[in-house]
Amino acid sequence: EVQLVESGGGLVQPGGSLRLSCAASGFTFSIYGIHWVRQAPGKGLEYVSSITNGGGTTYANSVKGRFTISRDNSKDTLYLQMGSLRAEDTAVYYCARAVWYSGSYYFDYWGQGTLVTVSS
Amino acid sequence: EIVMTQSPATLSVSPGERVTLSCRASQSVSNNLAWYQHKPGQAPRLLLYGASTRATGIPDRFSGSGSETEFTLTISSLQSEDFVVYYCQQYHDWYTFGQGTKLEIK
Repeated sequence: EVQLVESGGGLVQPGGSLRLSCAASGFTFSIYGIHWVRQAPGKGLEYVSSITNGGGTTYANSVKGRFTISRDNSKDTLYLQMGSLRAEDTAVYYCARAVWYSGSYYFDYWGQGTLVTVSS
Repeated sequence: EIVMTQSPATLSVSPGERVTLSCRASQSVSNNLAWYQHKPGQAPRLLLYGASTRATGIPDRFSGSGSETEFTLTISSLQSEDFVVYYCQQYHDWYTFGQGTKLEIK
């Protein structure tokens, strides 16, 4: 069974840092790209960042230069290092597996999310 | 950025009814369109990709259609567990989501 389990969320002050983790199981982690998606309170889903199976990375403009995505294939784990956090980064953060189809990726399995709250 | 617009925001329907949810893209996304079901506190669940292909394990009461800019998700006979939020997402040019349609029991 494919499983993605996020952790590392919590309360952090504006300007602070936090590292999220996404532990994968039930599939060969190293051959899949993985995304981070977030949902602010009362809002819809927003793409945050992706990493391909080869380590290529992309970021939404809203987090570029502040967030860093990485992966450790030996631990089947994805990371999101978040810095210079702002109140508008408050959200539930989900990781999702990427599947290549018809020239692009869709997201087939998601974790249950971890809540990040940025507040003083 | 491609903007995805879902309508309506909330839909009141009765169990057993057939319902159609709409999703419009601000420019063509070909058929690079997915639908997700999201229950509070749970992982979003992929229902359809390629606008109309059901994901693994999805019941056939869920169906999708459309291409370019206009898409629909149809649930043929609503079950109690279907009264949650549904999102469309384009993956043609980056990734953007609609704001969601919430199904509530009438």
